[in-house]
This record gives sequence, structure tokens and C-alpha cells, in this order.
Amino acid sequence: DSGVTQTPKHLITATGQRVTLRCSPRSGDLSVYWYQQSLDQGLQFLIHYYNGEERAKGNILERFSAQQFPDLHSELNLSSLELGDSALYFCASSGSLGGHGYTFGSGTRLTVV
Amino acid sequence: AQRVTQPEKLLSVFKGAPVELKCNYSYSGSPELFWYVQYSRQRLQLLLRHISRESIKGFTADLNKGETSFHLKKPFAQEEDSAMYYCALGNTGFQKLVFGTGTRLLVSP
Repeated sequence: DSGVTQTPKHLITATGQRVTLRCSPRSGDLSVYWYQQSLDQGLQFLIHYYNGEERAKGNILERFSAQQFPDLHSELNLSSLELGDSALYFCASSGSLGGHGYTFGSGTRLTVV
Repeated sequence: AQRVTQPEKLLSVFKGAPVELKCNYSYSGSPELFWYVQYSRQRLQLLLRHISRESIKGFTADLNKGETSFHLKKPFAQEEDSAMYYCALGNTGFQKLVFGTGTRLLVSP
């Protein structure tokens, strides 16, 4: 167990639907990062939150949004889902600003049918 | 802009052979480099970070700023080393890590 908890582990949903992925960072970590891993695109950075504030944004679609709550857990919301959104979504956390590397969760496998 | 290049999608070696997984980076600032390993689409695990100059599971990596490289090496590959290996570059302030496209290492008996 890495200490980063992601739920659910698997999610199957239909096109057009909306889902919420949840991430609890390792105890004491203030930063949460979201990544999308697909077979053809590799690991794509989506967004970074630090202590509740957005710090950096990657190639995150407008249909996707995220937030980090006061208890430091984070949620990634994906709406108007398309088949191409099927991927593994990883959350990672780090202390301060990540100088010692990130700790990754086990990911949520999203399948859009 | 940050960019990480891993030129090999697949590296196939026999057990006991030396391994070198290549990583080149592009970044105008002071780079912070990492290697991550992923077994069978499980979570990514930190293998090495250049600032600590450590050796994990027999792997080492040296930052060469002149060649902008951070190649991962192991003198004698083991079957359990078979996995995906990702090189990653952190920017100043660590707002994000940028990953390369990964190299699949396959070690055959």
C-alpha cells in the first residue's frame, strides 16, 4: 500500500455520462496530481493542487474538472464522457512541492461504452 | 518547455545481460529527474531520483547535463525486472512531472 488511495478501482459507464474519481493523498502530503494513462497517449498530466489551490494545469479537457478539499482529498470530475476517455486515471501525492518524487495510487480504470 | 524522450518502446534482453534504458530531456531550468517503474499496469513506483544518487534493485542512473541525459543502467538483468520504465522531469517549483512515453523492458530466461 503506497498510502495514496483511489476509488473506485474500476468504473464502467456509458457515453454522455458523468463520473467522479476520488483520491486520498498520503498522510501529510499537501500536493495532489492527476494523470491520465492511455495506451496511445502514455502518461498525460492533467492537474495539480497544492493545499486546496490549483497550481498547474496540463492538457485537461474542459469537460474535466477537479478540486481539492480542506481535508486534502481530491476529486476528478469527468462529464459528457466519450469512448476516448477510457483510460487509467492515476492520482499522485507529494509532500510540499514534490522534490522527492511522487507517490502514486493504484489508479481508477475507466471504461466508457 | 519540458520534454522527455525515451527513444526505445521496447528493450528485450536475456537474463544476466547488461541493460541501459535511454532518457533524454529538454528543459531550460535546473532539471530534477526521476525513474519510475510500472509492473503490469499497476501503480507507478519511484525507482530513482537523481538528487539522491542511490542504487535501487541494482539500477543506477547518472545525470549528464552536457548530453541532457539520464540513462538507467543495470549490469545484470533479472527476469523480475520486466516492466515499463518511465523517465520523468520535474520543473522548478515542481508544479508537475512530465513523463516520457516509457520503455518496456522484457528480460527473457
